[in-house]
Amino acid sequence: TAGITQAPTSQILAAGRSMTLRCTQDMRHNAMYWYRQDLGLGLRLIHYSNTAGTTGKGEVPDGYSVSRANTDDFPLTLASAVPSQTSVYFCASSDSALAGVDEQFFGPGTRLTVL
Amino acid sequence: DAKTTQPPSMDCAEGRAANLPCNHSTISGNEYVYWYRQIHSQGPQYIIHGLKNNETNEMASLIITEDRKSSTLILPHATLRDTAVYYCIVRVAIGNEKLTFGTGTRLTIIP
Repeated sequence: TAGITQAPTSQILAAGRSMTLRCTQDMRHNAMYWYRQDLGLGLRLIHYSNTAGTTGKGEVPDGYSVSRANTDDFPLTLASAVPSQTSVYFCASSDSALAGVDEQFFGPGTRLTVL
Repeated sequence: DAKTTQPPSMDCAEGRAANLPCNHSTISGNEYVYWYRQIHSQGPQYIIHGLKNNETNEMASLIITEDRKSSTLILPHATLRDTAVYYCIVRVAIGNEKLTFGTGTRLTIIP
């Protein structure tokens, strides 16, 4: 079972360019999330989606957009990258229909450097 | 979600029990205690969660005090592979699926 995959593994991007980070899960989880992790700050939630067709803003949504056209995919787009978006990005999913459980499964991460 | 307080770092000898404390004095009655860990460069991994009863699974045990204001994650026989950052998170289980990660405890297992 693949679980949750992310692509690319790493990327160097020029400032001002756009980029989409891909995330796919094969567990049929209804909820998906994007986090960024910066040194000394832990993980911070960017955007989330409780179910296909809906999205919501997390703690640090500015400069990012997401879409959830289907259950499996949750791409994260940077329309015009800035150096402060240099970070490691983690996608996660969970089956929030299971009351009291909500274990989140994380992907391997995408390391993005914006120059 | 309630805030948590964890020591920034801890060491534990290989083969011994690692006891990681977490304070969550403002926890609400409907909030669960979750533990995740993150091994270097990998995505976080779920360990265990509980509401008010002690819990045990194949990875760890979770001890929650009777007043629920603190908890302890116990790794019974720590191995070098348990070296990681451990995050204690409190949150409601339904209606707010987002996890709020703090800075966690960096646990180092000493050979």
